[in-house]
Amino acid sequence: DQQVKQNSPSLSVQEGRISILNCDYTNSMFDYFLWYKKYPAEGPTFLISISSIKDKNEDGRFTVFLNKSAKHLSLHIVPSQPGDSAVYFCAASRNYGGSQGNLIFGKGTKLSVKP
Amino acid sequence: EPEVTQTPSHQVTQMGQEVILRCVPISNHLYFYWYRQILGQKVEFLVSFYNNEISEKSEIFDDQFSVERPDGSNFTLKIRSTKLEDSAMYFCASSEAWTTAYEQYFGPGTRLTVT
Repeated sequence: DQQVKQNSPSLSVQEGRISILNCDYTNSMFDYFLWYKKYPAEGPTFLISISSIKDKNEDGRFTVFLNKSAKHLSLHIVPSQPGDSAVYFCAASRNYGGSQGNLIFGKGTKLSVKP
Repeated sequence: EPEVTQTPSHQVTQMGQEVILRCVPISNHLYFYWYRQILGQKVEFLVSFYNNEISEKSEIFDDQFSVERPDGSNFTLKIRSTKLEDSAMYFCASSEAWTTAYEQYFGPGTRLTVT
């Protein structure tokens, strides 16, 4: 049951360039989307989120875009830095019937930023 | 910066044994979660906990699993009789309030190995 899909298992980008990580979802009831970053031997770290009522949210070098009609979101990192090298997880949540917002994750995309 | 902590970092146990994984959520957070990640697979939701009771649980969270907040700081996950397929990274997470419930902060994880 892949409600959240990250179709690219890996992405390699040159330092200073833009990294674009993509995520697709199938459940139109999702109302909140998040990106997490994960380094080896650490837990996922919250990066940025977006509500379904918005189409863009920006935080420093990170911008998330949401296209509800296409059920697609993307994370842009610009400029990319070597320290951004990590696995990036897309996650979605839906608020219904008292649900406390359990997160449904994609499989992740491993980003490598080369100096 | 406040963080979620988990102990132990690695637990090895024999099939059929009981294990307790421990977590200390961020002190002012009210919502607590357990997730797991089997090697090579997605991070999967197990259970959410609020106001000393389970809010939501997944199909994975069967009768072999239980959670408890034994005091004001700890949050535990117990597996009564471990199976080989329980081998995974177990992540604890917490969030501050309902309105920001989706922004969950994760601990570093406990690697459970069942032999």
